Amino acid sequence: DAGVTQTPRHEVAEKGQTIILKCEPVSGHNDLFWYRQTKIQGLELLSYFRSKSLMEDGGAFKDRFKAEMLNSSFSTLKIQPTEPKDSAVYLCASSYWGANTGQLYFGEGSKLTVL
Amino acid sequence: QQKVQQSPESLTVSEGAMASLNCTFSDGTSDNFRWYRQHSGKGLEVLVSIFSDGEKEEGRFTAHLNRASLHVSLHIREPQPSDSAVYLCAMRGTGGADRLTFGKGTQLIIQP
Repeated sequence: DAGVTQTPRHEVAEKGQTIILKCEPVSGHNDLFWYRQTKIQGLELLSYFRSKSLMEDGGAFKDRFKAEMLNSSFSTLKIQPTEPKDSAVYLCASSYWGANTGQLYFGEGSKLTVL
Repeated sequence: QQKVQQSPESLTVSEGAMASLNCTFSDGTSDNFRWYRQHSGKGLEVLVSIFSDGEKEEGRFTAHLNRASLHVSLHIREPQPSDSAVYLCAMRGTGGADRLTFGKGTQLIIQP
């Protein structure tokens, strides 16, 4: 089975640009998470979807960050407008809620650099 | 808000010696605690997922959970240079979803 796929792996943006990061979860998974990872803050939850419905939208990230899940096999994270402090690795993860296996599968991340 | 603290921030161990990492959490409401490994530029790889107090072994990786002391540890037996990575501790929120709160990680270096 394919794991979680994230694209692009690397993105360089100018301040003020709009960027869209993409995620394909593991087939059949119904929970999807977006995390941001920085050296200072570690991993922070941005958004959480269950069966395409938004369950949690990280309060501190609401203004310029918008995650969407238009179908069960694809999610996007839009950052608009970008700021240098958004430079980070953005990780997508998926799991099957209800299985209680204690397993959450991560993609390799999209590294964003904002100049 | 749940919090997770990891120690040490960095650890250097000789190849073959036991490596021990620690994690304390803010409350005992979670039912599941995990250790992940992250090699540079890669995603997170789950090593051990533990639900009950006591010990759980997965190959060379053993987790010990003690909810009363709000502590979970990871011990790596016979570490190899390829085990050099950042190790992250995480606790699951209530409700059964894999909504995790992470520590900031321990950078582990295994010297040949």
